[in-house]
Amino acid sequence: ILNVEQSPQSLHVQEGDSTNFTCSFPSSNFYALHWYRWETAKSPEALFVMTLNGDEKKKGRISATLNTKEGYSYLYIKGSQPEDSATYLCAFIRGYSTLTFGKGTMLLVSP
Amino acid sequence: KAGVTQTPRYLIKTRGQQVTLSCSPISGHRSVSWYQQTPGQGLQFLFEYFSETQRNKGNFPGRFSGRQFSNSRSEMNVSTLELGDSALYLCASSLDLTVTYGYTFGSGTRLTVV
Repeated sequence: ILNVEQSPQSLHVQEGDSTNFTCSFPSSNFYALHWYRWETAKSPEALFVMTLNGDEKKKGRISATLNTKEGYSYLYIKGSQPEDSATYLCAFIRGYSTLTFGKGTMLLVSP
Repeated sequence: KAGVTQTPRYLIKTRGQQVTLSCSPISGHRSVSWYQQTPGQGLQFLFEYFSETQRNKGNFPGRFSGRQFSNSRSEMNVSTLELGDSALYLCASSLDLTVTYGYTFGSGTRLTVV
């Protein structure tokens, strides 16, 4: 059984704050790490797919880093906006298995 | 381009009944996966299909089954429904098994068992 742990479970910040979340996963036989954003009443949306140790990806104010040797990934949001309010999911894939999702970090950004 | 379409959006069923959920992937996507989400739980993997073959199955009882058709559309069936089967069922499609570009998810089917 693969465990993907995300922390914190929830986060409440003010507009303009920068924030970051952590995703921990088993480091052996790593294949890929995904980040998704899931807004209320919508479908989860892919943010990043990361495959290489040291990978850094950026999309607007959101960026992510990956450390496959120690089994963690960070997601950063710079200058949070109310529209960033969502649950952020990470998912890990090992070898030829399927994606295993963490429980997510719920972010609330207040104006 | 059309997204992933799941039908129906909402369902209310009685304990003991069976239910079939449908998922139409993005055109050209051959891989379809199903996930269950219940309160307090992450997305729990149910099945993965590729080119009509079940490639992986999650840790769910045999009451949960699925299939994929030649046009890549997929269905999942739950027989002898239990109250604990009440959940949001999400379908996701990808171009191939490597999921290089990530999954595209449907809007889900909200199943309530009473």
